[in-house]
Amino acid sequence: GAGVSQSPSNKVTEKGKDVELRCDPISGHTALYWYRQSLGQGLEFLIYFQGNSAPDKSGLPSDRFSAERTGGSVSTLTIQRTQQEDSAVYLCASSLGGLAGAPGTITGELFFGEGSRLTVL
Amino acid sequence: GENVEQHPSTLSVQEGDSAVIKCTYSDSASNYFPWYKQELGKRPQLIIDIRSNVGEKKDQRIAVTLNKTAKHFSLHITETQPEDSAVYFCAARGSGGSYIPTFGRGTSLIVHP
Repeated sequence: GAGVSQSPSNKVTEKGKDVELRCDPISGHTALYWYRQSLGQGLEFLIYFQGNSAPDKSGLPSDRFSAERTGGSVSTLTIQRTQQEDSAVYLCASSLGGLAGAPGTITGELFFGEGSRLTVL
Repeated sequence: GENVEQHPSTLSVQEGDSAVIKCTYSDSASNYFPWYKQELGKRPQLIIDIRSNVGEKKDQRIAVTLNKTAKHFSLHITETQPEDSAVYFCAARGSGGSYIPTFGRGTSLIVHP
């Protein structure tokens, strides 16, 4: 498909287990974002990738969270030793550009995936 | 960093009424303000955006206004319809070299038929 694809759509895990969430952005989009959506908490920024630049990890809540983006395309968000407070919907988004003034940044529109709902028991 | 406040958290209106959602931001360098609509169980989608060089933008029944001096912007929906029921998020993005929008906490709009 042409949109942002995320998997799994639902994940139930036990406290202490590791989980991996995958995001396949729109082809040609150089910017990729991970957000977390908890009930009543809006969209919390986690991490941002732009091309080959070093990722902006300033939103990661703890060192249990990490993410990588291979080949400038697919990204994986990993949560180690999951806790109950990690339960949320994890949203991935991609956009055409990232750096101010870069070509293709006609709009700042983020295209979101359907999200991965994580439940930690 | 940027901080975006959004009000109200819940808004209930009758079909045909207008709805207004307000947001304030803290970083005077922010220059791009999008609004996203998230229907129940769906992904957020951009419905309208405004840049800091304009004060108002309209698209059919929706409009956004921006007051740079006061650092606030608002979403206006006229002639509301039941299909407008959703959670609406405002966001602000700076010009510091990266495109990381900061989102408000969202407004749940309920339009009663």
